[in-house]
Amino acid sequence: AQKVTQAQTEISVVEKEDVTLDCVYETRDTTYYLFWYKQPPSGELVFLIRRNSFDEQNEISGRYSWNFQKSTSSFNFTITASQVVDSAVYFCALSPQTGANNLFFGTGTRLTVIP
Amino acid sequence: EAGVTQFPSHSVIEKGQTVTLRCDPISGHDNLYWYRRVMGKEIKFLLHFVKESKQDESGMPNNRFLAERTGGTYSTLKVQPAELEDSGVYFCASSQKGAGSTEAFFGQGTRLTVV
Repeated sequence: AQKVTQAQTEISVVEKEDVTLDCVYETRDTTYYLFWYKQPPSGELVFLIRRNSFDEQNEISGRYSWNFQKSTSSFNFTITASQVVDSAVYFCALSPQTGANNLFFGTGTRLTVIP
Repeated sequence: EAGVTQFPSHSVIEKGQTVTLRCDPISGHDNLYWYRRVMGKEIKFLLHFVKESKQDESGMPNNRFLAERTGGTYSTLKVQPAELEDSGVYFCASSQKGAGSTEAFFGQGTRLTVV
C-alpha cells in the first residue's frame, strides 16, 4: 500500500522567512518516484520536482530545495526567503514503479506568506 | 503550447442530476488521468487512459461514474445521478509516458458542488 502524509495542514510565515514543508511516505516498493506540486489560487497543479528513489541527492533550484532521506521515508521541501507569490497549497505525491502509473497524494499544506 | 484544459471550471447541480466534465489533454499525450479531491482530503486517483483504452479504473467510486475517451483525444467524466458526496474538485492530468516516469501536467480542475 502507498501512503503520503503531510502533517502540516496550514503554515503561515512572514515574508523573507524560511519555511520547510514536511512529507513522509510509505511504500513497499523498492523503486518509486516522489513529487512536489504547487497549487496556486488559479487552481491548477504545477509540477515542481520529481525524485527517483535511487537518487538521494538533495536538490536546489533557486529558493527551493528538497531533502530526500530514505532512512526516514521523508521528502521535505524548503523555501528560502519566502515571498508572497509562494502562497499556495503544496502537495507531495508518490508514484510506485510496479506498473501503476497513478500518483498517491498527501492532503496538502496550505502556505501563506504574509507581507 | 496549450496545457491541459478542463470544462467547466465550476458546476453546481442538484442531487440526482447528471453532470459531464470534460478534459482536453496536451496534444500528443497518450496518458490521461482523472483525480478527485474531496474538501480537505488528499487528491485521489480515479482512472487512467492510455489512448482510448482504460488502463486502470480501480479508483472509480461506483457505477454512477462513467469515463470515456473516444478517439484517444479528449475525455469526459459523467456522474449520473449525482450525490452530495460527489462534491469536490476533479482534476485531469496528461503525460507522454506513465506519470511516475515523467511529469504529469494537470488542468485547473472542475469544482463540482452537488446540493
